[in-house]
Amino acid sequence: DTAVSQTPKYLVTQMGNDKSIKCEQNLGHDTMYWYKQDSKKFLKIMFSYNNKELIINETVPNRFSPKSPDKAHLNLHINSLELGDSAVYFCASSPPDRGQTGELFFGEGSRLTVL
Amino acid sequence: AQSVTQLGSHVSVSEGALVLLRCNYSSSVPPYLFWYVQYPNQGLQLLLKYTSAATLVKGINGFEAEFKKSETSFHLTKPSAHMSDAAEYFCAVSGGSNYKLTFGKGTLLTVNP
Repeated sequence: DTAVSQTPKYLVTQMGNDKSIKCEQNLGHDTMYWYKQDSKKFLKIMFSYNNKELIINETVPNRFSPKSPDKAHLNLHINSLELGDSAVYFCASSPPDRGQTGELFFGEGSRLTVL
Repeated sequence: AQSVTQLGSHVSVSEGALVLLRCNYSSSVPPYLFWYVQYPNQGLQLLLKYTSAATLVKGINGFEAEFKKSETSFHLTKPSAHMSDAAEYFCAVSGGSNYKLTFGKGTLLTVNP
């Protein structure tokens, strides 16, 4: 069983479209994250939810909207896609109390290509 | 505020040689420090962590790292490289209370036969 699973793994779309990436974790963790990895492999946090409550919201365009229907799911919706949104998006989760120390469990990533 | 600097975006070693990947950090509070590994087309996996206990930390696959406060460093080492160690390695720092993990820019390790 995959601990943190993301769908889809690959997404190719046109500029201006709207797309969603879904994430589910079966580890029983309380905290979930979205990270963006650019073409130079640089990883930056975008959002974090703890028990469905938004706790981190970095300087991300408001075209990006996370949604956490329950503790085990964190989805990412992107409106009006731009070329610069092309990246690999990683979902992650952390156990209670260990998210504060930075111990994360990552999914395999969703590679988004905007044409 | 916290930051991480990884010296060397690419390190190449021969199989059986010592692996040394360098990481320096900056943190306004006592840090928690991590090394994560990313194999091609995969997510990141925790290799080892320092959370204010022993300064020499052992991780998976024979890797270890030493926390040196005076040098603000947390370098990753392995005595003998294997071909399977070829991957991207990320050093990361956390302030311990804000759920925010800051990553370095990564070091690509290649292992030559």
